[in-house]
Amino acid sequence: DAGVTQSPTHLIKTRGQQVTLRCSPKSGHDTVSWYQQALGQGPQFIFQYYEEEERQRGNFPDRFSGHQFPNYSSELNVNALLLGDSALYLCASSLEDRTDTQYFGPGTRLTVL
Amino acid sequence: AQTVTQSQPEMSVQEAETVTLSCTYDTSESDYYLFWYKQPPSRQMILVIRQEAYKQQNATENRFSVNFQKAAKSFSLKISDSQLGDAAMYFCAYDSGGGADGLTFGKGTHLIIQP
Repeated sequence: DAGVTQSPTHLIKTRGQQVTLRCSPKSGHDTVSWYQQALGQGPQFIFQYYEEEERQRGNFPDRFSGHQFPNYSSELNVNALLLGDSALYLCASSLEDRTDTQYFGPGTRLTVL
Repeated sequence: AQTVTQSQPEMSVQEAETVTLSCTYDTSESDYYLFWYKQPPSRQMILVIRQEAYKQQNATENRFSVNFQKAAKSFSLKISDSQLGDAAMYFCAYDSGGGADGLTFGKGTHLIIQP
């Protein structure tokens, strides 16, 4: 049973560029949430996707956008990268009616220079 | 908005001893979920234990147990017979149970296991 997978593992970008991160949920899960974890901090909720729609959003600007595909996989896009966007980006999947139990992927480490 | 506070940035314990990690939270909800997650250097966030607020009984998973004090809004994690593999960052997290709001995490406690 495949768990949550994310790609790429590491990514280096420069300020002003755009980046796309990818997530495949655990088999059978239909809901994907994204989190940003800055160095030395706990993860912060960015948004959640279900049925290809953004259901809820944390306190993140519109530069952060996402998408969910019919196979439930998801992308996180960040435009106009800032140095402060450097962080570990975590994807978590769950069942729509059990979002209290989320399974996390290994994360993508984004460095913005 | 809900907040989660972990007041111990770092804790150290001898192997085979018991350690308790503290967590307090603030919410106006009456029904919610609380979690402890472990994040080793591999970065993968692993669920350690889960507590439903409407349940009086404290959750237990093998060597891990919690002390849930709903009135005090306190949720501590006790690790018994500490092992070297327990060394990691531990995060306390809150979920409103509404589904879409995402988890609210504390800043974490770095647990060091002394051999």
